Amino acid sequence: SQTIHQWPATLVQPVGSPLSLECTVEGTSNPNLYWYRQAAGRGLQLLFYSVGIGQISSEVPQNLSASRPQDRQFILSSKKLLLSDSGFYLCAWSVQRGLTDTQYFGPGTRLTVL
Amino acid sequence: AQKVTQAQTEISVVEKEDVTLDCVYETRDTTYYLFWYKQPPSGELVFLIRRNSFDEQNEISGRYSWNFQKSTSSFNFTITASQVVDSAVYFCALDGGTGNQFYFGTGTSLTVIP
Repeated sequence: SQTIHQWPATLVQPVGSPLSLECTVEGTSNPNLYWYRQAAGRGLQLLFYSVGIGQISSEVPQNLSASRPQDRQFILSSKKLLLSDSGFYLCAWSVQRGLTDTQYFGPGTRLTVL
Repeated sequence: AQKVTQAQTEISVVEKEDVTLDCVYETRDTTYYLFWYKQPPSGELVFLIRRNSFDEQNEISGRYSWNFQKSTSSFNFTITASQVVDSAVYFCALDGGTGNQFYFGTGTSLTVIP
């Protein structure tokens, strides 16, 4: 069966510090991978998605970036965090198909920027 | 434009009552997919159901049922005989068939009072 891991689970960082959140998927090959952010208002915002190694699409311009160095690894980064980067970050995966497939979510990382 | 509206921000019910969560969507695609996810206090989004635009049959799974009506662009979710464990935020989502862009509603927070 497939599992998705995220770490760290919680993180408190000062403004201006760097960020690295990691997501890994087990039990599947060549998945689509996604990063979402959920702010205090509960809505989910798609930040990045990737259909393969080194292939990243950005949905929202911001000071965040994403990388996919390995097939089942997806990393969210920032060089300098802003207060507005606080939120709950969720990674998700889906099987690549011609149309769509269900997205399955990881446990999330709760980021607080002070 | 793709859009999902969950007009109910918060709902409270007493245990064993039935409750319906509303979801209205907008899309110009003829082929699309609708989803419901549950987000318990732990934060992880749990997949509940997927429905494609060509299948308007209602679905029942235990105490959960879903009513998909293309005529009103709605995909409502009913919990029968609610339980405290049903307390969570529920999200409705739409995918226009690309597999890369889910449009989430803002969620409905359900509290089941014992």
